[in-house]
Amino acid sequence: RKEVEQDPGPFNVPEGATVAFNCTYSNSASQSFFWYRQDCRKEPKLLMSVYSSGNEDGRFTAQLNRASQYISLLIRDSKLSDSATYLCVVSPFTGRRALTFGSGTRLQVQP
Amino acid sequence: NAGVTQTPKFRVLKTGQSMTLLCAQDMNHEYMYWYRQDPGMGLRLIHYSVGEGTTAKGEVPDGYNVSRLKKQNFLLGLESAAPSQTSVYFCASSYDPGELFFGEGSRLTVL
Repeated sequence: RKEVEQDPGPFNVPEGATVAFNCTYSNSASQSFFWYRQDCRKEPKLLMSVYSSGNEDGRFTAQLNRASQYISLLIRDSKLSDSATYLCVVSPFTGRRALTFGSGTRLQVQP
Repeated sequence: NAGVTQTPKFRVLKTGQSMTLLCAQDMNHEYMYWYRQDPGMGLRLIHYSVGEGTTAKGEVPDGYNVSRLKKQNFLLGLESAAPSQTSVYFCASSYDPGELFFGEGSRLTVL
């Protein structure tokens, strides 16, 4: 079983739609969680951290469910510029261990 | 600001040749990482470093060596390239394990 699993998609949605991605992780000791965004043929960039209480940044909302070991990303009012691959990222514990990346979920927002 | 710079950006090698990828960061980060990204596999950690003079193995270290002689530089070496090492290589650095800053990637093809 992969440490971090994501539906690869693609999710094809019209502009203005709301779309949600889930990501499951296998290590129950994982402490830190993030969503990164990667545009085609570009480097990944941090989109947002995921806190236990959930957090929101504009049209983006991230939530953590420790009991079921998944994190989610909700995008409201999708824009064409949201088209990208969204990477779920997990760290086993707060400390020096490097992050583990999921394979990514591809989102295509259509006009 | 330069951020994280990788050289070269593209390289074609023949099986058995050697090469070194250079990563330089100007953000005074302690942590540096080398990942490879293959279709459907996501980013996989090759080696990482938590400070000058230190290195550690990641998920897929075989066939690679690294060195961190200076805090700002992290070198990835391939001693005898194989077709299985055809990939996109990303270097990243961070102040803490959470937010990674990536270079633009180096596309390596081994024939």
